[in-house]
Amino acid sequence: KAGVTQTPRYLIKTRGQQVTLSCSPISGHRSVSWYQQTPGQGLQFLFEYFSETQRNKGNFPGRFSGRQFSNSRSEMNVSTLELGDSALYLCASGLAGQETQYFGPGTRLLVL
Amino acid sequence: AQSVTQLDSHVSVSEGTPVLLRCNYSSSYSPSLFWYVQHPNKGLQLLLKYTSAATLVKGINGFEAEFKKSETSFHLTKPSAHMSDAAEYFCVVSGGGSNYKLTFGKGTLLTVNP
Repeated sequence: KAGVTQTPRYLIKTRGQQVTLSCSPISGHRSVSWYQQTPGQGLQFLFEYFSETQRNKGNFPGRFSGRQFSNSRSEMNVSTLELGDSALYLCASGLAGQETQYFGPGTRLLVL
Repeated sequence: AQSVTQLDSHVSVSEGTPVLLRCNYSSSYSPSLFWYVQHPNKGLQLLLKYTSAATLVKGINGFEAEFKKSETSFHLTKPSAHMSDAAEYFCVVSGGGSNYKLTFGKGTLLTVNP
């Protein structure tokens, strides 16, 4: 079974731009979560989607948003990019009713 | 609210010697706990998980962890380190109930010397 896939793997943007990251979960997984990883803050939870609904949200500004489609694929959008948004963005998927999450390889975003 | 403290930011061992990575947790309920590993420029791989069954949990690649409620600890061990074990290791607690938010420790970088 294929793992979690994320596209693109690498991205370079400039301040003020916006970016959309994509995540395809493991087949059959309906929960998708997003995390930001930076050297200073470590791994932080952004949000979680289940059946196209945002079920949990972390402490990030409204510039960070996401959505989930009927096929469970998810996108994350960051508007008005700041230098501090440079990070590895990780997507994870899980089965309904189970806490175990499986991570993708991540998208590395560099904001110049 | 739950939290995780990884007691060592860096652990260095020689190949063939035991590995001990320490983790303490704080939770207001009976938690689910996980260890993930991240190799350089890679995503996170699940090593093992504790979900209130056996307190000694066996994972992949010879790793295991023991849940000790009285000590609020979930330390990760391996009898004999391999060079390929060099990576960063994260102790993680789940939000519980219908909250699947994972709270990560700061990570422990494991170096394996030849």
